[in-house]
Order: sequence, then structure tokens, then C-alpha cells
Amino acid sequence: NAGVTQTPKFRILKIGQSMTLQCTQDMNHNYMYWYRQDPGMGLKLIYYSVGAGITDKGEVPNGYNVSRSTTEDFPLRLELAAPSQTSVYFCASSYSRHEQYFGPGTRLTVT
Amino acid sequence: QKEVEQDPGPLSVPEGAIVSLNCTYSNSAFQYFMWYRQYSRKGPELLMYTYSSGNKEDGRFTAQVDKSSKYISLFIRDSQPSDSATYLCAMSESGNTPLVFGKGTRLSVIA
Repeated sequence: NAGVTQTPKFRILKIGQSMTLQCTQDMNHNYMYWYRQDPGMGLKLIYYSVGAGITDKGEVPNGYNVSRSTTEDFPLRLELAAPSQTSVYFCASSYSRHEQYFGPGTRLTVT
Repeated sequence: QKEVEQDPGPLSVPEGAIVSLNCTYSNSAFQYFMWYRQYSRKGPELLMYTYSSGNKEDGRFTAQVDKSSKYISLFIRDSQPSDSATYLCAMSESGNTPLVFGKGTRLSVIA
């Protein structure tokens, strides 16, 4: 099993550009999550999904969108990138809410 | 008052020392308590998971939960340089509510 994979690993965006962060899991987990991690600030939940076709907002959803058309994939879309979205983004999946498996992260810089 | 408080460190100890990492919380409804370990430039990985109060031991690691004091701890015995990482506590009210993470404590074990 590859677990949770994320692409790209690194990306630099200009202000106002858009991009999609990809996340795929091969563990047949129903729950999937997107977090952002800023230095010294812990993990903040952006969006989560409890199954294909079902998504919900987390703590910091503004400026982001998600979709969940399959069990395996949970892409995160950034529209009109802003410097405040410079962060490390982690995707995670789980069978239950608590034992979450995290991907390696995407480091995004918006300049 | 933040929901979950965790001293960011850094904490530096000699190899073989006993390490104590702690979190306090304000939400008395939290019932599920977790510790995640995050190596530099990697995603977090689940280390320990405890439901309600009490102790749980796994090898050199012991997790303690004191719900009356709203205080959780992770003890690492015979610490090793490979334990050098950031340790994040996380907690939730139920199996259907999102995790709330602490900011993480950075630990260095010096050989």
C-alpha cells in the first residue's frame, strides 16, 4: 500500500493564480481531511469528507474548495491565491475519526 | 482561552532521559485523546490513542489522561536520538467530531 499520496511536493504561486492540490489514498478509507500547518501554529482543519459526494467545512475553509467524487481522491482547490495561503498542506484519511494517516505534505509559497 | 494548549519547546534532553510532554484543554466534552509524532518535513503519524481517563502503555511510551484536571501527558522512557521530533496532542468529543490539535512540542534527544 502506498498509503496517502500528495502532489505536488512543492509549488510557488503568484498572487491571484489558482491551483489544485491532489490527494489519493489506497486504504479504502471513508474519511478524508485537508489540514494546513503554519510554523508554530499546529494543524488547522480546512475541509473534510465522510464519504464520496459528502464534504464539509472545517475551521479555516475560506479561499479553498474541495470535491470528493471517488473514495480514493480528495483534491483541494485554491482560487485566487493570496500570501496568507503560504503554508504546508497535509491530506489525511482514516477508517475512524481518530487514527488518521497523513500524506507527506505539499509546501506552497504564494508571492 | 485556547481549546488545547501545548508548550512549543524546544525541549532538549540527553539520551536515556525520561521525557514528559503535556497538553491542557478547556473543553470538558473531549473524550478521545491522541499523540502524533511528526519528523521534520514529514506528515504526522499516530503514536498513541486513549479513550477517556487512564493510562496506556506501548513499549517505551506511556500516555496518561486526567480528565478531572483536563490534562494529558506522554512519557517517553529511555529516550533515543530517533525520538527527536515534534509531538502533537489531539483530542475530540466523539467519534463524529473533528480532531483539535495542539501546536506541538519540539523534542531533541542528544546522543
